[in-house]
Amino acid sequence: NAGVTQTPKFQVLKTGQSMTLQCAQDMNHNSMYWYRQDPGMGLRLIYYSASEGTTDKGEVPNGYNVSRLNKREFSLRLESAAPSQTSVYFCASSSQGLGNTEAFFGQGTRLTVV
Amino acid sequence: GENVEQHPSTLSVQEGDSAVIKCTYSDSASNYFPWYKQELGKGPQLIIDIRSNVGEKKDQRIAVTLNKTAKHFSLHITETQPEDSAVYFCAASNRGSGAGSYQLTFGKGTKLSVIP
Repeated sequence: NAGVTQTPKFQVLKTGQSMTLQCAQDMNHNSMYWYRQDPGMGLRLIYYSASEGTTDKGEVPNGYNVSRLNKREFSLRLESAAPSQTSVYFCASSSQGLGNTEAFFGQGTRLTVV
Repeated sequence: GENVEQHPSTLSVQEGDSAVIKCTYSDSASNYFPWYKQELGKGPQLIIDIRSNVGEKKDQRIAVTLNKTAKHFSLHITETQPEDSAVYFCAASNRGSGAGSYQLTFGKGTKLSVIP
């Protein structure tokens, strides 16, 4: 099993450009999440999807949109990238929601906005 | 919302010594407390977790304790080895805005260095 797969692994964007970060899991999990990780800030939740067909805002949703394409895939879109969105982005999934079961994380996408 | 504080931010220990990382949380309704280990260039990986109906849990050299009254929990690593060097995150679960959903709030992390 591949677990949680994120693409791309690295990306450099110019301010104002848009892009979509892709995430797919092969564990038949119901819940999926997008976090960003900044130095000294830990992991902060951007958006999550408790189940297929639902999405909700997390702690830092401004400047992002998400799509739960199907049970396997959960994408994160930056419509107009800003330098403040330079970060490492992690996708995660869990079977029943992060309050009950283990979350599995992808390897991360390192994004730089210049 | 939930707030998780984690201390210390950095910790250096000699190989073979013990390491302790402490976290506090604010939401008394939180009931699931996992610990994650993140190695350089990788995503976080669960190493141990504890639920609110348990006071202590142990898995080989790793143990976690939970004090619900004081709202704090701790990670203990005994007989540390160089491969324990990593960033460790504590987290607490809390209800999300969506019906039936939960989310994790993470501490800011502890960089553990084990000196051979």
